[in-house]
Amino acid sequence: DAGITQSPRHKVTETGTPVTLRCHQTENHRYMYWYRQDPGHGLRLIHYSYGVKDTDKGEVSDGYSVSRSKTEDFLLTLESATSSQTSVYFCAIKEGHQETQYFGPGTRLLVL
Amino acid sequence: GQNIDQPTEMTATEGAIVQINCTYQTSGFNGLFWYQQHAGEAPTFLSYNVLDGLEEKGRFSSFLSRSKGYSYLLLKELQMKDSASYLCAVETGANNLFFGTGTRLTIIP
Repeated sequence: DAGITQSPRHKVTETGTPVTLRCHQTENHRYMYWYRQDPGHGLRLIHYSYGVKDTDKGEVSDGYSVSRSKTEDFLLTLESATSSQTSVYFCAIKEGHQETQYFGPGTRLLVL
Repeated sequence: GQNIDQPTEMTATEGAIVQINCTYQTSGFNGLFWYQQHAGEAPTFLSYNVLDGLEEKGRFSSFLSRSKGYSYLLLKELQMKDSASYLCAVETGANNLFFGTGTRLTIIP
């Protein structure tokens, strides 16, 4: 257990509404990541952070923004949700000498 | 682009051995990870290979051949709880971890 929580765990929203997902960690990890997982695609990186206010884009960043104002929280925002953003979202941190990524429990998002 | 291939589904018998293959063609290679993911849950770390050869960890072993772009995960003495998806992931850079689509393994009695 890498001390990662995600909130909410489930959310249903409507197209065009803003949505913010939160990832919280308790062990002062520098690196944090947001992935989405869809059938037939595997896990894909959306954005990542390498420190407070330091973020960068991943493979599928369009339509998403992130913020990290303190070490323990990494927020993912869908400014105007679309049905194509229906997915399971996982947060991850990196730790250990092998720099292994460990995942939070996930958030299931349904955009109607 | 990055290409990571693994079989979509496999079935094996309780108590037996199964090998899940992963081939990759990526721009850069820093290491290869295997994760296990039960339905509805988060992926959990199983193994890491950076050098050629076999890494053994209990009932699970993972092999890597960098020259062939090939890895496999070997599961021995299969148990019903091993029914899950197994994800192969290649780290190509400091923060670039690319995942295959996963292999769904079903264990039958």
